Amino acid sequence: GEDVEQSLFLSVREGDSSVINCTYTDSSSTYLYWYKQEPGAGLQLLTYIFSNMDMKQDQRLTVLLNKKDKHLSLRIADTQTGDSAIYFCAEKRYSSASKIIFGSGTRLSIRP
Amino acid sequence: DAGITQSPRYKITETGRQVTLMCHQTWSHSYMFWYRQDLGHGLRLIYYSAAADITDKGEVPDGYVVSRSKTENFPLTLESATRSQTSVYFCASTGTEVSYEQYFGPGTRLTVT
Repeated sequence: GEDVEQSLFLSVREGDSSVINCTYTDSSSTYLYWYKQEPGAGLQLLTYIFSNMDMKQDQRLTVLLNKKDKHLSLRIADTQTGDSAIYFCAEKRYSSASKIIFGSGTRLSIRP
Repeated sequence: DAGITQSPRYKITETGRQVTLMCHQTWSHSYMFWYRQDLGHGLRLIYYSAAADITDKGEVPDGYVVSRSKTENFPLTLESATRSQTSVYFCASTGTEVSYEQYFGPGTRLTVT
């Protein structure tokens, strides 16, 4: 997962916006993903963005993609306690069949 | 309608023992994957399979063996477990969705003593 980098921790006050950042290295990436992992569970896809887009919005989630800087971000508006989880950034490269490269994950904690 | 399941969910074994982790999916997905999750490393791909009888190494395959005699099953075997293989193991599969979304099992927590 070294090719996809994220900070390990983020602490946010309930009701504020959370912004989780990710950088990747391969310019041939076709899809970029955000997965969510709740305690004791597997990963679930939150949202994804195709590489020819620069923004995608889905209810409280906004994904921004800066292809020039190879930077992906996930913004969660009005963060709730149920958003506490580990968030993984991931990329699918053009050359990699169905393989996806995951980052190390960012643990989001919510303070009251 | 179970989707993707893993068994056992928890396993404690001793160094040197052989251990097999099971993965079963009910969607007839072609691709299946095994990952290990360790603190600070995220998910690392161990092995993957594009179809029955087709498997390939991922990022960290040493010490592991896989097989895929049936599309729905993808067992992972640790031939001689070592303490460094203590981890949480996730199985995943992907079908024909344009987005290549991977669907994950609930994980197996393996402790090697």
